[in-house]
Amino acid sequence: DVQLLESGGDLVQPGGSLRLSCAASGFTFSSYAMTWVRQAPGKGLEWVSTIISSGEATYYADSVKGRFTISRDSSKNMVYLQMNSLRPEDTGMFYCARGSWGWDYWGQGTLVTVSS
Amino acid sequence: DVVMTQSPLSLPVTLGQPASISCRSSQSLVHSDGNTYLNWFQQRPGQSPRRLIYKVSNRDSGVPDRFSGSGSGTDFTLKISRVEAEDVGVYYCMQATHWPRTFGQGTKVEI
Repeated sequence: DVQLLESGGDLVQPGGSLRLSCAASGFTFSSYAMTWVRQAPGKGLEWVSTIISSGEATYYADSVKGRFTISRDSSKNMVYLQMNSLRPEDTGMFYCARGSWGWDYWGQGTLVTVSS
Repeated sequence: DVVMTQSPLSLPVTLGQPASISCRSSQSLVHSDGNTYLNWFQQRPGQSPRRLIYKVSNRDSGVPDRFSGSGSGTDFTLKISRVEAEDVGVYYCMQATHWPRTFGQGTKVEI
């Protein structure tokens, strides 16, 4: 079975950094792009970033460009989201999803809270 | 950016009755490869999103056949033929033809 398991969410002060991880299993990880999607409390879904299967191309929402970096380690079946210069508006649940357009499998999410 | 506009944003439904959600995009969602990358997701209370429909009208495995998607170009619809209690939640359309990927605001379906 395909499984995606996020971790790394925490309470962090504004301006701080956090690295989220997503452990993938049950499929050929190196064949798929991977995506991060976030959801502020009580709000809708927002695409954050996508990394293609080879890792050679990445895409970012304007709201996180220059602050967040997506990466992957296909030897470990992991995808990461390094988040720097965090702002209160970055608070929310962060989901890992499989694919660049389909997002057929999602993890359970990891909660990031940016507050002093 | 492509703006996705859903209506209604709140949809009171009656069990056993049909329901329909509209999604309109500010640009055509036809990709240069000929596909239209319009997906529908369901998010039940307290759960992660779940994909129901991909590329306009393809139902995912395990999704009840009471769910159907249709549309083309900039105008799309998700229909539930007979609403069941487990269908309560928020439904999102999402376009993956253009970067950045964008979602509709979500439609809350409640009994």
